[in-house]
Formats: sequence, C-alpha cells, structure tokens
Amino acid sequence: EPEVTQTPSHQVTQMGQEVILRCVPISNHLYFYWYRQILGQKVEFLVSFYNNEISEKSEIFDDQFSVERPDGSNFTLKIRSTKLEDSAMYFCASMQYANTGELFFGEGSRLTVL
Amino acid sequence: AQSVSQHNHHVILSEAASLELGCNYSYGGTVNLFWYVQYPGQHLQLLLKYFSGDPLVKGIKGFEAEFIKSKFSFNLRKPSVQWSDTAEYFCAVLSNFGNEKLTFGTGTRLTIIP
Repeated sequence: EPEVTQTPSHQVTQMGQEVILRCVPISNHLYFYWYRQILGQKVEFLVSFYNNEISEKSEIFDDQFSVERPDGSNFTLKIRSTKLEDSAMYFCASMQYANTGELFFGEGSRLTVL
Repeated sequence: AQSVSQHNHHVILSEAASLELGCNYSYGGTVNLFWYVQYPGQHLQLLLKYFSGDPLVKGIKGFEAEFIKSKFSFNLRKPSVQWSDTAEYFCAVLSNFGNEKLTFGTGTRLTIIP
C-alpha cells in the first residue's frame, strides 16, 4: 500500500539552526500539507500546497518557515532559525483529489530544539 | 473560523465496555467530518468519514459515528472495545472545500485495560 514517508524520524538541533524536514508524498497525490503537534496539544495546520504553490498557511507559518517541492517527488519544510517553541512532531500529509477529503499522513518527524 | 471540540481528554475503559467519544464542531455551513486514530508510535490513520447521506457512518475495526446536524456533533462509538483500541483519537472537520484544510480537535487518549 502506498504511503507517505518522512525523514528524519527524529532530529535534535540547537536554537537558531536551520532544519529541513523531508517528505515523500504518495506519487499520484496532488495536495500536500504540513501539520505539527506540540507534545500534549492538538494537531495544528501549518500549510497546504497545491500546483507548486502555497494555497493556505496558518498564523504559525511565519517568515521562518518555507516549503518546497524541488523535484516533483519530495516536499520539504524548512525552518530557518529554530526556536525552542518549534519543538514538536511534524506531520506531512497528502491527498489525491480535492473531493475526497482524505489525507494520508506520514509517521512524523520529531524535532527537538535545545 | 471552524473549530472542533473534544471534551474527553483521557478515557479509560475495560475490555468489552462500550465507547462513546464526543466531538462538536462550530461551522454554520456544509461540513465533512472525520475521525482519525493514532496508535502508539504510529501515524494518523483515517477511521471513518462523513460527507453526505446516511448520518450514521461505519468505519474500520467496528467503529461508527453519527452526524447530528442540529447538535453540531459527530460522536464516535464502538459497542465493545478491545485492548488494541488503545490509541489517540482525533475528530476533524473540513469546511472550506476550496482549500481542503482539515481542522483537528485536541484529541482523546483512550486507554483500554485488559
């Protein structure tokens, strides 16, 4: 069964460092998302991406965040200068068509900022 | 803006007990509703979804949910839980069909005691 894969599974970084989280969505999917979950809190929407551009982003997704789909397969989330409060589990998701509403999630990348 | 409330943060049940997890949403328009499950150490998986039609929807592993429009609710039920149902359960709503953005509730941690 096709699945969304994410790397790394866990990354520890120093505050102020840049981090890139990578995702390989399911190959025939058209919509891509990043969500995050701070420990003990709810899953929060960060950004959605369609047709090679951001379609919506949340207030959390400030100038420190960016997304790219550089080669038609990978979908990356970059945090330019990490803060302590960026520590969370980051989930990538993809969806095939707009009218399914069904997101397929990766297993997540745990980011720990020290 | 749409929001989702899950009032049960942690539910503990014995095996074979019946389960009902509450979910309420706030959005006046047409909604699509979902329950996702996250088993320990695994990614979010779709349990069931409601788009239209019969308000009682059945999902995987014996779960079902009922959409009650007048109460803005979409409660999850299972007549007899198993130890393997131990997981985190998230209700989610999709209300803006243009952006396809899922909004999640805070989640309910379900612990089943053998």
